[in-house]
Amino acid sequence: EVQLLESGGGLVQPGGSLRLSCEASGFTFTSYAMSWVRQAPGKGLEWVSFSGTGGRTYYAESVEGRFTISRDTSKNTMFLQMNSLRAEDTAMYYCAKDRRHCSSSSCSGDHFDYWGQGTLVTVSS
Amino acid sequence: SYVLTQSPSVSVAPGKTARITCGGDNIASKSVHWYQHKPGQAPVLVIYYDADRPSGIPERFSASNSGNTATLTISRVEGGDEADYYCQVWDGSGDHPGYVFGTGTRVTVL
Repeated sequence: EVQLLESGGGLVQPGGSLRLSCEASGFTFTSYAMSWVRQAPGKGLEWVSFSGTGGRTYYAESVEGRFTISRDTSKNTMFLQMNSLRAEDTAMYYCAKDRRHCSSSSCSGDHFDYWGQGTLVTVSS
Repeated sequence: SYVLTQSPSVSVAPGKTARITCGGDNIASKSVHWYQHKPGQAPVLVIYYDADRPSGIPERFSASNSGNTATLTISRVEGGDEADYYCQVWDGSGDHPGYVFGTGTRVTVL
């Protein structure tokens, strides 16, 4: 059974930093792209960042230069380092697994078949 | 960047049909996926590759993609279908490849 468990959310002041984690189980972590997706209060879903199987990473324009996505394949865990946080980064952050199996280092994104329950990030003074 | 536009809300009586549209420039050239999102829960994939249903998703959920509009259809609507629905594509063009979500449609069952 695929499971994605996020952690690391909390209350942080504007300009501060936070590191989110997503522990994955039930599938071959190295064979699938992973992403972070967020939902601000009262808003829709917004994709944040992509981690491909070959190390390729992509970011939404709204977070590029401030957020860094990474993986520890030995721990089947994905991370999101968030720096220079702003009030508009306040959201529930979801970890999501791409459905398409990727056997190369150049796979792009496709769609998500599993999501975690989310971890809440609140940026406020 | 690519933009997907959905109508904000749809209201439907139980047993009737709900249609949710997702507009995008020549969206027919892309694969469209649909998610159901209920409050306090993780989103659930209900349609992938324009019209395919994951296992466990009722046949009442169907979809199509043509021209500039993709459509999710929920037949014989039930109270449990009340949720927000999002379309999604992958946009590999430009300087910022990424997943693009629609603006979301709230389905209310009367």
